[in-house]
Amino acid sequence: GAVVSQHPSRVICKSGTSVKIECRSLDFQATTMFWYRQFPKQSLMLMATSNEGSKATYEQGVEKDKFLINHASLTLSTLTVTSAHPEDSSFYICSARGAGGTYEQYFGPGTRLTVT
Amino acid sequence: AQSVAQPEDQVNVAEGNPLTVKCTYSVSGNPYLFWYVQYPNRGLQFLLKYITGDNLVKGSYGFEAEFNKSQTSFHLKKPSALVSDSALYFCAVRPMDSNYQLIWGAGTKLIIKP
Repeated sequence: GAVVSQHPSRVICKSGTSVKIECRSLDFQATTMFWYRQFPKQSLMLMATSNEGSKATYEQGVEKDKFLINHASLTLSTLTVTSAHPEDSSFYICSARGAGGTYEQYFGPGTRLTVT
Repeated sequence: AQSVAQPEDQVNVAEGNPLTVKCTYSVSGNPYLFWYVQYPNRGLQFLLKYITGDNLVKGSYGFEAEFNKSQTSFHLKKPSALVSDSALYFCAVRPMDSNYQLIWGAGTKLIIKP
């Protein structure tokens, strides 16, 4: 149980284009989803927290107009990187938390974004 | 400021020996504590958590962790290391007043040599 999927696993796009990453909770309803960014050999950096049906809460320094997050249902959240630049190249990871007394977050396998 | 420290960037252990990956935290109140493992180019997998109760918690793959309130530590341990345990390990803490957000340690690379 508690499986989170991400799609795509890898994506290469050109500068100036937009890329959408999907995060799905497969066997539970995710009341809260988190989006992280991870640089090589570094820890996770929380980008934003989203609750189903409401606007995402972005961490300081994260541009909400560049990283659009939509949590349209209890099993799906999307992150759209708009007008991508090479510096946006990174490993993006989502996680989800279920309802009730669930303490831990369950993580997707990550998406490797390369902007050329 | 609240923080989580993993003092060792890398830990090297021979296969079959016990291993310890250290974690200390500076968070107000009584936080929830977690360990996650990350294999190359993969997302994170939950290993174990401490919420309340017995200070020694057991998790996946034979790992366990001991919560020490006075030392504000939550070290990850395993009695006998396997080569397949080689990975990146993250300690994370959730303050009780947070919106389920985690404060992450920098990660410790664990290398188990045959």
